[in-house]
Amino acid sequence: RKEVEQDPGPFNVPEGATVAFNCTYSNSASQSFFWYRQDCRKEPKLLMSVYSSGNEDGRFTAQLNRASQYISLLIRDSKLSDSATYLCVVNPTGNNRKLIWGLGTSLAVNP
Amino acid sequence: GAGVSQTPSNKVTEKGKYVELRCDPISGHTALYWYRQSLGQGPEFLIYFQGTGAADDSGLPNDRFFAVRPEGSVSTLKIQRTERGDSAVYLCASSLTRSGYNEQFFGPGTRLTVL
Repeated sequence: RKEVEQDPGPFNVPEGATVAFNCTYSNSASQSFFWYRQDCRKEPKLLMSVYSSGNEDGRFTAQLNRASQYISLLIRDSKLSDSATYLCVVNPTGNNRKLIWGLGTSLAVNP
Repeated sequence: GAGVSQTPSNKVTEKGKYVELRCDPISGHTALYWYRQSLGQGPEFLIYFQGTGAADDSGLPNDRFFAVRPEGSVSTLKIQRTERGDSAVYLCASSLTRSGYNEQFFGPGTRLTVL
């Protein structure tokens, strides 16, 4: 089993749609979690850190389910500019700050 | 303020040559990371510096790869005897160590092409 798994997509949705991505992780002791966004041929940019009970930032909501070892990202009222790859990232427990990255989920928002 | 910068943005070299890639982290960030990313893949961890020392170099693929950060700021990734399989985007990131959530901020990357 991969350490961090995501559905690669692509997800094709119309503008205004709500879309959700899931990510599962294998290390039950993992403590911190992130969603990054990456545009084509650009560097990853931090979208959200995922806190223990989930958090919301505008149209974006991140949830963490420790029992099932998954993290979700919900995008409401999707915009054309949301088209990108969304990367799920996990920081395993310990002082080592090496992040474990998923392969990403591709989203295309269509007019 | 200024973000992470990387130079060069693109590097084309021939098989067997030596290359150096530079990263200038966000001012005040003590942790620095190197990753490489191939098309359709997530970033692959290479090495992590805390200050001047390499705290974890377990991701370096072999001894042709080496990185330094002599003054705890700018870092250089060095690749000897380059091979075609080394072609990728090399990403650098930095973070504030005291951030419990270890949020990493990335530079634009160096696209390395080995012919």
